[in-house]
Amino acid sequence: ETGVTQTPRHLVMGMTNKKSLKCEQHLGHNAMYWYKQSAKKPLELMFVYNFKEQTENNSVPSRFSPECPNSSHLFLHLHTLQPEDSALYLCASSQGEGGSSYEQYFGPGTRLTVT
Amino acid sequence: AQSVAQPEDQVNVAEGNPLTVKCTYSVSGNPYLFWYVQYPNRGLQFLLKYITGDNLVKGSYGFEAEFNKSQTSFHLKKPSALVSDSALYFCAVSHSGYGNKLVFGAGTILRVKS
Repeated sequence: ETGVTQTPRHLVMGMTNKKSLKCEQHLGHNAMYWYKQSAKKPLELMFVYNFKEQTENNSVPSRFSPECPNSSHLFLHLHTLQPEDSALYLCASSQGEGGSSYEQYFGPGTRLTVT
Repeated sequence: AQSVAQPEDQVNVAEGNPLTVKCTYSVSGNPYLFWYVQYPNRGLQFLLKYITGDNLVKGSYGFEAEFNKSQTSFHLKKPSALVSDSALYFCAVSHSGYGNKLVFGAGTILRVKS
């Protein structure tokens, strides 16, 4: 276990549904991330939060809405998704105040299927 | 812009033989380099990193990597492969001034056969 948990592990949703992904880190880290992992594509950074403040939005469509109520929890709210949004969504956390020399610790991911 | 190339989609090696997974990078300034491993249905696990200092970095599970500035490479190596090393390996790069962001390579599948 890496100290980062994600729920649910699997999610199937229709294009008109609204759902949320949850991530929790037990490592005392200051930064949290959402990534999208699709087959045969590099990992795509979606959002970065430092001390609960969003510091990066990598041109993500508005149908993905992140929320970071505190440094230990991160949510990804989903609505009106498209089939091409089907992917593994990974949460990660790291130490540091914006420094990029710290390794990231990943959760097991949520396998999302949009029907 | 930062980028990482992993030129091999897949590497096959026999158990007990040495393994190398290749990575080259492009970054402005001094790079921070990372290797991660992903087993099926799992998230990525950190293996090792190079920030500064000794060019040979040792990490988890007997893996090591050598930073070569002139060749802009950071190849992952292990002297004797195990079947349990079979997984998907990612190289990633960042640098100071790039915030918390990592840029990942496309990944290399390592298959170790007994």
